[in-house]
Amino acid sequence: AQKVTQAQTEISVVEKEDVTLDCVYETRDTTYYLFWYKQPPSGELVFLIRRNSFDEQNEISGRYSWNFQKSTSSFNFTITASQVVDSAVYFCALSESGSQGNLIFGKGTKLSVKP
Amino acid sequence: DAGVIQSPRHEVTEMGQEVTLRCKPISGHDYLFWYRQTMMRGLELLIYFNNNVPIDDSGMPEDRFSAKMPNASFSTLKIQPSEPRDSAVYFCASSLAGTPDTQYFGPGTRLTVL
Repeated sequence: AQKVTQAQTEISVVEKEDVTLDCVYETRDTTYYLFWYKQPPSGELVFLIRRNSFDEQNEISGRYSWNFQKSTSSFNFTITASQVVDSAVYFCALSESGSQGNLIFGKGTKLSVKP
Repeated sequence: DAGVIQSPRHEVTEMGQEVTLRCKPISGHDYLFWYRQTMMRGLELLIYFNNNVPIDDSGMPEDRFSAKMPNASFSTLKIQPSEPRDSAVYFCASSLAGTPDTQYFGPGTRLTVL
């Protein structure tokens, strides 16, 4: 069965600190896709990244970086030099290749960045 | 380009009333998804369509919920009759192709059933 675990329910940091959000997934498929979404206080869900299981290269986008490790079934998300605008709930999600519509979300991690 | 559009953004209704939520997917996207978000259960997929045809409605909680997609640019999610436990944020999302293509979400409809 597929499952996504985000063990950190809430994280609080001070502006400019680096912060890592953990995501551990379970799947029996060899082909699958991982996603991160951001949900700011305004409520919408914003797509951040999509990664397939064959691409283990780490990704960097500005202050955001993602570390995908198949050996530990993890897809962690790091924000460098956090800012108040990064305050949001972050969701990790998993989809298996044959599942079409079945995007399984973790419970989310609420990040609060204090000035 | 316009993103996924949902209406209304907020809906307050009384138990027993019919509620209709609306969604306009991104133009050209063949897949449309309806999700529900609650504190207790997180984000749950209710139903999804491919080319206007419902593919999987196994997430629809009960017969009070129904969804339609009469054309490629419009979908509705209806609850009749509504109950207080239906209070949640309902999201619509669309994707160019089936998962694992990226799903883009609308702003959501916050439903409160009194």
